[in-house]
Amino acid sequence: QSALTQPPSASGSPGQSVTISCTGTSSDVGGYNYVSWYQQHPGKAPKVMIYEVSKRPSGVSKRFSGSKSGNTASLTVSGLQAEDEADYYCSSYAGSNNVIFGGGTKLTV
Amino acid sequence: QLQLQESGPGLVKPSETLSLTCTVSTGSIKSSDSNWGWIRRPPGKGLEWIGSIYYSGTTFYNPSLKTRVTISVDTSKDQFSLNLSSVTAADTAMYYCARSSTLLGHLDNWGQGTLVTVSS
Repeated sequence: QSALTQPPSASGSPGQSVTISCTGTSSDVGGYNYVSWYQQHPGKAPKVMIYEVSKRPSGVSKRFSGSKSGNTASLTVSGLQAEDEADYYCSSYAGSNNVIFGGGTKLTV
Repeated sequence: QLQLQESGPGLVKPSETLSLTCTVSTGSIKSSDSNWGWIRRPPGKGLEWIGSIYYSGTTFYNPSLKTRVTISVDTSKDQFSLNLSSVTAADTAMYYCARSSTLLGHLDNWGQGTLVTVSS
């Protein structure tokens, strides 16, 4: 099972919006609504920002939103702030009791 | 807030077995609504799901690692463990333990991670 495809990098200026894509197949992203997004700052553990495609955990800023169309999921960060600069990973249930991650996107603000 | 902490050797020789333990505190591993997993991040690469276990002992493994991975649970110690056999340099990575509500669920509690280097 191949990793989900993410752009290696993304960038935006403070206050702008940026969208990160996560492309899979009909066997993973397209087949299930179990897509999650994780934020990881250097030296820190990942933190879930979005789960089940578009749900936001308690405490996560409303500036983070998720969506899905076909085999591609997206994470949008609006009103970019310096603290949003981090690596972002998507993950999806891939059937047959398997979970896969994307290769990660480095967001520069 | 649930706390997870990885422990184990930071250096493993090629062909040997990597063994890590995750200790769960401020909560119990014997939770019917918890799935306990291992994830790794090789240097310069993305995250990779290794596998997970319910406290009942039911396990799930990444197909690409399945022949080398064993995950087990010790409910008396609130710990779960990872064994990865026949390691090579490609297994050098930061290893994380984490919790989700189910195998399909998101990972909502993570350990801080432990770096394991495979080298002679």
